[in-house]
Amino acid sequence: GQQVMQIPQYQHVQEGEDFTTYCNSSTTLSNIQWYKQRPGGHPVFLIQLVKSGEVKKQKRLTFQFGEAKKNSSLHITATQTTDVGTYFCAGRYGNNRLAFGKGNQVVVIP
Amino acid sequence: DVKVTQSSRYLVKRTGEKVFLECVQDMDHENMFWYRQDPGLGLRLIYFSYDVKMKEKGDIPEGYSVSREKKERFSLILESASTNQTSMYLCASSFRPLTSGRALEQYFGPGTRLTVT
Repeated sequence: GQQVMQIPQYQHVQEGEDFTTYCNSSTTLSNIQWYKQRPGGHPVFLIQLVKSGEVKKQKRLTFQFGEAKKNSSLHITATQTTDVGTYFCAGRYGNNRLAFGKGNQVVVIP
Repeated sequence: DVKVTQSSRYLVKRTGEKVFLECVQDMDHENMFWYRQDPGLGLRLIYFSYDVKMKEKGDIPEGYSVSREKKERFSLILESASTNQTSMYLCASSFRPLTSGRALEQYFGPGTRLTVT
């Protein structure tokens, strides 16, 4: 199946600092989604990006879709302890299916 | 609020047993999915269904089968459980997009942690 690569796989972030997680595909994506999974929880949808170069913000989170629609990023500013968890990107392939990246596990250091 | 429920949070089965994992959604979604989640491997699609009685293999269907007799219910079956099927199993559902080329957000259940001994 199609692969979506996420980097880094793990991050330790000091509370108050910013961090970015990246998602790359070898093929053009029609859209990309981001999910967050809290420790012990299940993935929860955050956002979907569809247009080339699209940028969307949710409070301290900024999501970007690359011009070529092959990569995406999630940038979090002023990290809080509530940001702990694993962030997944997912790109569409085939009909109705998503290819999930392996996730970026974020640990917040108080 | 969309609700996706799974029959068990934790399950322990013996090697060779037949195992049924049940998933129910209450939002009239056409699509339903079964994933397994393992550390360092992310979410891998086992099977999905886009309509009643319809199913398609995902990326890792070997050792699994599925059943969708009703729109709201999607079952994952392990015909003969093996220790390498010890994992977290996540069910998800979504609407089917009206136009192709677009995927809609998936709603996940709480997961079933299956241990095969």
